[in-house]
Amino acid sequence: AQSVTQLGSHVSVSEGALVLLRCNYSSSVPPYLFWYVQYPNQGLQLLLKYTSAATLVKGINGFEAEFKKSETSFHLTKPSAHMSDAAEYFCAATSGGYQKVTFGTGTKLQVIP
Amino acid sequence: DAGITQSPRHKVTETGTPVTLRCHQTENHRYMYWYRQDPGHGLRLIHYSYGVKDTDKGEVSDGYSVSRSKTEDFLLTLESATSSQTSVYFCAISESGPRGSEQYFGPGTRLTVT
Repeated sequence: AQSVTQLGSHVSVSEGALVLLRCNYSSSVPPYLFWYVQYPNQGLQLLLKYTSAATLVKGINGFEAEFKKSETSFHLTKPSAHMSDAAEYFCAATSGGYQKVTFGTGTKLQVIP
Repeated sequence: DAGITQSPRHKVTETGTPVTLRCHQTENHRYMYWYRQDPGHGLRLIHYSYGVKDTDKGEVSDGYSVSRSKTEDFLLTLESATSSQTSVYFCAISESGPRGSEQYFGPGTRLTVT
């Protein structure tokens, strides 16, 4: 079965600093990978997705993620954090014949002024 | 924003009572999903539907049933609510299957079982 691991349930960065949120997946076949963001008291919305095209994927709000097959990773980055980036971020994956998406447990990002 | 509504948005109920949550979409998407969100667990799939009257179980389906009689509506029923079902429930839709297809989420229903 597919599994998704997000390292760090809470991450704090200073405003203007690099944001790095880690995600590793387990899959015996090439996966489809997603990053979603959840603001307080809202549903999730898609930041970006990898579907076997370019390994570096650009998303909304300046975020990007790089698919590294050798490391089974799909880490999310943003060069300069803004206060508005404070939210919870979820990595998700589906693969093979699955018609289901597996979500990681989430990482809460705090941005310190 | 995708046209997804959930009702009710908040509900408090007692152990042993039946509860039905409704998800309504105006996008005519084929796939619909019910998730629950709990601290430390992320989102876990309860049930999903790949068409009218076509449903399948997710990873945490025990104690839950679903029905989809129309494209736009997907109902989640807790036959006899338990305190372990206190959670935030999200409905999601996607145009095609989840492989490569974005899911759009509703605003959530906060359910408390006392």
